[in-house]
Amino acid sequence: AQSVTQLGSHVSVSEGALVLLRCNYSSSVPPYLFWYVQYPNQGLQLLLKYTSAATLVKGINGFEAEFKKSETSFHLTKPSAHMSDAAEYFCAVSWSTNAGKSTFGDGTTLTVKP
Amino acid sequence: DTGVSQNPRHKITKRGQNVTFRCDPISEHNRLYWYRQTLGQGPEFLTYFQNEAQLEKSRLLSDRFSAERPKGSFSTLEIQRTEQGDSAMYLCASSRAGTPSEAFFGQGTRLTVV
Repeated sequence: AQSVTQLGSHVSVSEGALVLLRCNYSSSVPPYLFWYVQYPNQGLQLLLKYTSAATLVKGINGFEAEFKKSETSFHLTKPSAHMSDAAEYFCAVSWSTNAGKSTFGDGTTLTVKP
Repeated sequence: DTGVSQNPRHKITKRGQNVTFRCDPISEHNRLYWYRQTLGQGPEFLTYFQNEAQLEKSRLLSDRFSAERPKGSFSTLEIQRTEQGDSAMYLCASSRAGTPSEAFFGQGTRLTVV
């Protein structure tokens, strides 16, 4: 079955430190990949998406992600964490041309310490 | 355009009662999706519409669940004879047709079955 795995349900970093959130998917076929952020009691907001173009994708709020086909990974990074980055982050993969139908990982909660 | 709108934001109901949620998508989007999110997990796909046609349903969508999109605009999700296991956040999303087009999410309806 197709699946998305986010390693680490909780990640804690200090303000100004590097943020690295990991995402691996189960298929070797290049799909569409997304990262979403969710604040408490809110819906999901798209951070960035990979759609078979450049493997390094830049998103909003200084986030970027690199698609590595050989590793079936799509890790999310940000060079310097800000307090406002504290939220839950979801990796999502679409294995069809309907990119709105996605399989989500279980999420990673990011805590930023002052 | 204010994005995807969901009503109500919160619903508390007694076990066995029926509930109905409404979703108003972004006006130019012809695809509409319903997802369910339980605590500590990522969203799970339930169903999607293209215009008024319901094109796909997940096996998670039991017989007690029904979704409609009568005129290809807003959609409703009804749960009959609610059970405590139905307690979750129900998320609606919309997208344009075409490849690829990511989904834009509403803020969700949180259902609590007591």
